[in-house]
Amino acid sequence: KQEVTQIPAALSVPEGENLVLNCSFTDSAIYNLQWFRQDPGKGLTSLLLIQSSQREQTSGRLNASLDKSSGRSTLYIAASQPGDSATYLCAVIGQGGKLIFGQGTELSVKP
Amino acid sequence: GAVVSQHPSWVICKSGTSVKIECRSLDFQATTMFWYRQFPKQSLMLMATSNEGSKATYEQGVEKDKFLINHASLTLSTLTVTSAHPEDSSFYICSASYRGDTEAFFGQGTRLTVV
Repeated sequence: KQEVTQIPAALSVPEGENLVLNCSFTDSAIYNLQWFRQDPGKGLTSLLLIQSSQREQTSGRLNASLDKSSGRSTLYIAASQPGDSATYLCAVIGQGGKLIFGQGTELSVKP
Repeated sequence: GAVVSQHPSWVICKSGTSVKIECRSLDFQATTMFWYRQFPKQSLMLMATSNEGSKATYEQGVEKDKFLINHASLTLSTLTVTSAHPEDSSFYICSASYRGDTEAFFGQGTRLTVV
């Protein structure tokens, strides 16, 4: 059974810092891995999708990497801003398109 | 990215009544839609997979007679919470994808409160 773990559960940093969020999964047989952002009481916004054949994806200040063999993905946020404060979720996409989510990392960027 | 619209965004209902939540893919055809449930401070738990024109596949522990799912067209799936109880109060989110294993796009969620 696929299990997804995110570390840390919560993170508070001063504005401008670069930071790394970690995601690990137990079964490497995945199709894709997707990172999301969720603001309180809101739905999910897709940030980056990494296909199983890829090693990383970049969008603006965000960079996500994927190492299938070790079951790990990282989300790197450069020059963090208060507007980046949210919960970040990673999800692995397996057979049938089911997304298995991690517990999320709650990020707070202080001005 | 593609747009998925979920309606209503919040609903309050009395115990024993039924509530219908709609999930629409606005600019693409979704052969597969998924329904998730999220409790406060917790992650999303998959409830069921909805395939257009066929019966939904429910995850273990999810009561199919309580959570009725219909995927009548390539752009619409509905979740009906029947005979709602306060413990059904939660945040329900749908997602849609072109194919089951491609990027998933999420609706804005529905906050259900049963009183």
